[in-house]
Amino acid sequence: SQTIHQWPATLVQPVGSPLSLECTVEGTSNPNLYWYRQAAGRGLQLLFYSVGIGQISSEVPQNLSASRPQDRQFILSSKKLLLSDSGFYLCAWSVGVWGFYQETQYFGPGTRLLVL
Amino acid sequence: DQQVKQNSPSLSVQEGRISILNCDYTNSMFDYFLWYKKYPAEGPTFLISISSIKDKNEDGRFTVFLNKSAKHLSLHIVPSQPGDSAVYFCAASGGGGAQKLVFGQGTRLTINP
Repeated sequence: SQTIHQWPATLVQPVGSPLSLECTVEGTSNPNLYWYRQAAGRGLQLLFYSVGIGQISSEVPQNLSASRPQDRQFILSSKKLLLSDSGFYLCAWSVGVWGFYQETQYFGPGTRLLVL
Repeated sequence: DQQVKQNSPSLSVQEGRISILNCDYTNSMFDYFLWYKKYPAEGPTFLISISSIKDKNEDGRFTVFLNKSAKHLSLHIVPSQPGDSAVYFCAASGGGGAQKLVFGQGTRLTINP
């Protein structure tokens, strides 16, 4: 069965510090990978998605970036955090198939980031 | 522009009764719809989905209804149980390739004993 891991679970960082959040998926190959953010009291906002190694699509311009160095590894980074970067960050995966049928996304446990 | 809307931020239902959560969308290109359940400090859990070629999909206590002409979907939970208390998100996608889901703001469901 497939498993998705995220770490750390909780992170408190000062404004201006760098960020690196990691997500890994087990039990599947060539997954589509996604980073979402949930701000307090709000819905889920798609930040980045990737259909393969080194392929990153950005949905929202901001001071965050994403990388996919390996097939089942997805990293969210920032060089300098802002207060507005606080939130709950979620990684998700779906079956990497190109076609006319839809695939469900499955989410990891999330990372709570507090920027002070 | 909010393409997927859940207009009720919260809903309170008595245990054993039916819970009905609603979702509206504006993009006619959406052809796949999902419901997720989320507990605090956890990732969303997939509940049930429906393709636009159907108007109903049922899985145990959960049924999703889709009204394409009204651009409206709903999730019915019957009977409601205390463990159903959570935030429910509806999501929609346009199909094909990397699935980009657009989420609603969520509805907090509370099941009262």
